[in-house]
Amino acid sequence: NAGVTQTPKFQVLKTGQSMTLQCAQDMNHEYMSWYRQDPGMGLRLIHYSVGAGITDQGEVPNGYNVSRSTTEDFPLRLLSAAPSQTSVYFCASSYSRQLTDTQYFGPGTRLTVL
Amino acid sequence: ILNVEQSPQSLHVQEGDSTNFTCSFPSSNFYALHWYRWETAKSPEALFVMTLNGDEKKKGRISATLNTKEGYSYLYIKGSQPEDSATYLCALGMDSNYQLIWGAGTKLIIKP
Repeated sequence: NAGVTQTPKFQVLKTGQSMTLQCAQDMNHEYMSWYRQDPGMGLRLIHYSVGAGITDQGEVPNGYNVSRSTTEDFPLRLLSAAPSQTSVYFCASSYSRQLTDTQYFGPGTRLTVL
Repeated sequence: ILNVEQSPQSLHVQEGDSTNFTCSFPSSNFYALHWYRWETAKSPEALFVMTLNGDEKKKGRISATLNTKEGYSYLYIKGSQPEDSATYLCALGMDSNYQLIWGAGTKLIIKP
C-alpha cells in the first residue's frame, strides 16, 4: 500500500500566485486533515474532513481552501500565496475522527513563498 | 489558549546512554495522549497512544508513561542508538475538542 501520498515535495511560489497541494490515501480512511509545521511550533490544523463531501476549518484556515469529492483525495488550495504561508505542509489520514485513532502522515510539502 | 509543552527542545545523547523527555499538558478534559517519531525527510510515525492514568506502553527500547492527574507523559529510550535520532512529538486529545493539540517536539540527536 502507498499509504498517504503528497505532491509536490517542494514548491516555490511568488506572492499572489495560487496552487494546489495534492493528497491521496489508499487506506479507505474517513478522516483526512492538513497541517502546517513551522519552526518552534507544534503542528497546526488547517482544514479537515470527516468524509467525502464534508469539510471543516481547523485552527488556521485563512488563505486556504479544501474539498473532498472522493474518500481518497483531499487537495489543499492556496488562493493567493503570501510569505506567511512559507511552511512545511503535511496531509494526514485516520480511520475516523476518534481522538485515539492513529494518524498516518504523508511525506510533506515544503513550500516557500517569495 | 491550550498548550502542550515538550521539554527539552533538543537533546544530545551519547550512543548507548539512556534518556527521557517530557510532554506536559492541561489535565482537565483529558482523553488521549499520542507520541510520534519524526525522522528528518520522512513522515511522522505513531509510537504510542495512551488513555488511562498510569498507562505504560513499550515498543522495543522505547517506553512511555502517562500521568493524567498532574498532566504529563514521559518518553524513555534505553541504550540510545543512532537510528533513534529524530524529533519526538506528543499530541493531546481532549474530550472538549475533536482536534489534537500538538507539542513542538523534542529533537534528539545521538552522538556516536
